[in-house]
Amino acid sequence: SQQGEEDPQALSIQEGENATMNCSYKTSINNLQWYRQNSGRGLVHLILIRSNEREKHSGRLRVTLDTSKKSSSLLITASRAADTASYFCATDPSGSARQLTFGSGTQLTVLP
Amino acid sequence: EAGVAQSPRYKIIEKRQSVAFWCNPISGHATLYWYQQILGQGPKLLIQFQNNGVVDDSQLPKDRFSAERLKGVDSTLKIQPAKLEDSAVYLCASSLHRDRESGYTFGSGTRLTVV
Repeated sequence: SQQGEEDPQALSIQEGENATMNCSYKTSINNLQWYRQNSGRGLVHLILIRSNEREKHSGRLRVTLDTSKKSSSLLITASRAADTASYFCATDPSGSARQLTFGSGTQLTVLP
Repeated sequence: EAGVAQSPRYKIIEKRQSVAFWCNPISGHATLYWYQQILGQGPKLLIQFQNNGVVDDSQLPKDRFSAERLKGVDSTLKIQPAKLEDSAVYLCASSLHRDRESGYTFGSGTRLTVV
C-alpha cells in the first residue's frame, strides 16, 4: 500500500514560477525523502529530512516537515523547463528495517 | 562511482511466458531492493535483500515471482508465468545498510510489456 500521498497529482506552471508539492503519510517515520523521476528513467534522490528537523534547503529546493500533521512539502523555486518530471515523497518508517514506501507522485510540468 | 546497472532496458513478452531481470548494485551497498512501478503510480516494494538474505518479501507474488541474490552482489528477479497485469517498470535500488540517512540509488529500470 502507498504510505505517502502527494498533492496535487499534476501541476503545470510557467518557467520562473515556484512549484509546491505536498505529501501526507500515516505512520511514524525516521525520515522523509523526496525523489525525482524523469520520463522513462529511474528515481533520483533529491533531499532527505529527518523526523527531528522542520525545514531543509538544498539549492533551489526547500523541504518542510510537520510530524504532528504527518505532512511534508517540497518547494522548487525559480523553476526551469528541466525541472519537468514526476516527484515522489518516500517515508522511512521508524522502528523497522530500512524500507522506503513511496507515494503516488506529482507530475510537474514547467512551461518555457 | 558507477550507478546501479539493470538489464535489459526493455522487454516484451506474451502472457504465460517467463522473463528475468538482472541488477548490479553499487559496490559496497549491502541492501538491495526490487520495486514494481505501474504506469502512473509510485514504486511498490517487491523484495528487500540484506547481503544475500531476504529481509522482506511480503509483497512479492510468490506464486509467479522469485528473486535471488546468491553472492550478495548481483540479483535477478524472475516472473513465471507472466500476466498482463505484470506490465510495469521494474526498478532495482541499493543503499548502505548502516547509513539510514542517505537515499537510495536507483537503476534506470526494465520496462516490461506483457501482451
